[in-house]
Amino acid sequence: QQKVQQSPESLIVPEGAMTSLNCTFSDSASQYFAWYRQHSGKAPKALMSIFSNGEKEEGRFTIHLNKASLHFSLHIRDSQPSDSALYLCAVRASGSWQLIFGSGTQLTVMP
Amino acid sequence: GGIITQTPKFLIGQEGQKLTLKCQQNFNHDTMYWYRQDSGKGLRLIYYSITENDLQKGDLSEGYDASREKKSSFSLTVTSAQKNEMAVFLCASSRDWGNQDTQYFGPGTRLLVL
Repeated sequence: QQKVQQSPESLIVPEGAMTSLNCTFSDSASQYFAWYRQHSGKAPKALMSIFSNGEKEEGRFTIHLNKASLHFSLHIRDSQPSDSALYLCAVRASGSWQLIFGSGTQLTVMP
Repeated sequence: GGIITQTPKFLIGQEGQKLTLKCQQNFNHDTMYWYRQDSGKGLRLIYYSITENDLQKGDLSEGYDASREKKSSFSLTVTSAQKNEMAVFLCASSRDWGNQDTQYFGPGTRLLVL
């Protein structure tokens, strides 16, 4: 079955820094990749998704996907204290409808 | 826009007790899900329902039952609560299944078993 792993488990960065979060998956035929963000005590909320190799940018957030290396990442430019949250990556394998979630990276942005 | 409501927000139970968690959505979505979130672990799928009256087991279904009473509501029952169990149960919905649709989550029910 699809395995999805995230690194690091936790991360502390200063305000204004560039933050990079990583996600690896086991099935190179996977077709859908998403990042969710969960503020403490709140519902996870979809941030961005991507289907094919490359890069996608929305505001301060950028996703990179490299299926050959089984890796995708989320980059946050000019990190803000309000970005402090649990970030979950999710992958849907080829031939499956189910989203498999990673265990999350807890991000803290210090003012 | 829409919203997912989960009740109760907090649930304290006794070992062996049967406990029911409820979820309502007003997105008019066809598909609904129940996930369990443990500290340090990702979301694990318990049950899902593609449409009203449908029920499918996820990877973590043992020890749980579910019921899709109508399109807007999806209930989860812990059949026998385990001592010292502590987890957050998240309900979600999406417009369709087998698609690339975004899943929308509720705020969760926090369970503690004494």
